[in-house]
Amino acid sequence: EVQLLESGGGLVQPGGSLRLSCAVSGFTFSTYGMSWVRQAPEKGLEWVSGISGSDGSTYYADSVKGRFTISRDTSKNTLHLQMNSLRAEDTAVYYCAQGFGGVFGSTLDYWGQGTLVTVSS
Amino acid sequence: DIQMTQSPSSLSASVGDRVTITCRASQSIDNNLNWYQQKLGKAPNLLIHGASTLQSGVPSRFSGRGSGTDFTLTISSLQPEDFATYYCQQRSRAPLTFGGGTKVEIK
Repeated sequence: EVQLLESGGGLVQPGGSLRLSCAVSGFTFSTYGMSWVRQAPEKGLEWVSGISGSDGSTYYADSVKGRFTISRDTSKNTLHLQMNSLRAEDTAVYYCAQGFGGVFGSTLDYWGQGTLVTVSS
Repeated sequence: DIQMTQSPSSLSASVGDRVTITCRASQSIDNNLNWYQQKLGKAPNLLIHGASTLQSGVPSRFSGRGSGTDFTLTISSLQPEDFATYYCQQRSRAPLTFGGGTKVEIK
C-alpha cells in the first residue's frame, strides 16, 4: 500500500525558514517523480515544485523559485522541501504527491494528508 | 505558464442530475489534462488522466473528453458522495497548473 506522510509544518515568522518532509512507503521511491502542492486557506490548488524520479531534475513554480528547494533522500525514502524567506502568502496546507508520466511524474496519483504552514508574526 | 480556466466556479445540483464542468487551457495541451476531486478537509483524488482515461477504482459515471484547449468532466448521474470540489490540471509542461476549481453543491 502506497503511503505518504508529511511532517515539519508549523508557525514561522515572515522571513523565516522551515523544512518539510514526506516519508513514503509502498513503492520504489527512486523510480517515481514527486511533487509538492499547496492550498492556501479557502483557495485552490497550487503546484509548488517537482523532482524527477529518473535523474533528480528539479522544477519550481515562479512564486517560490530561488526561495524553496526540493530534494530527496532515497536511502530514507523521504522527500524534502526547504523553504526560506517565507512570506505571509506562503501560508497553506502543503501536500506531497507521487506522480507518473511526463518528465517528473506530472499526473499526481497518491497524496499525503498535508501539513499546515502558517507564516505570521 | 499555461493558464487553466474552469467554469462554472460553483453549481448546485440534485442527486441523479447530469453535471458537466468545463476546463479551458490558454494554449494547446493536446490530451495532457487531469481531473481531481477534493472533499472538504481531504487531499485531492485523481479521477481522470490523459483527458479521458478513468483512474482505477473511479466509478464509470465519471467521464472526460476533450483535446487541445477545451475539456469537459461529466458526471452522468450525481450521487451523494460526489458533492465536492473538482480541479483540472495540465500536465503538458512545467510549471504544472490547476484550474480554479468547481464546487458542486447540493440543491
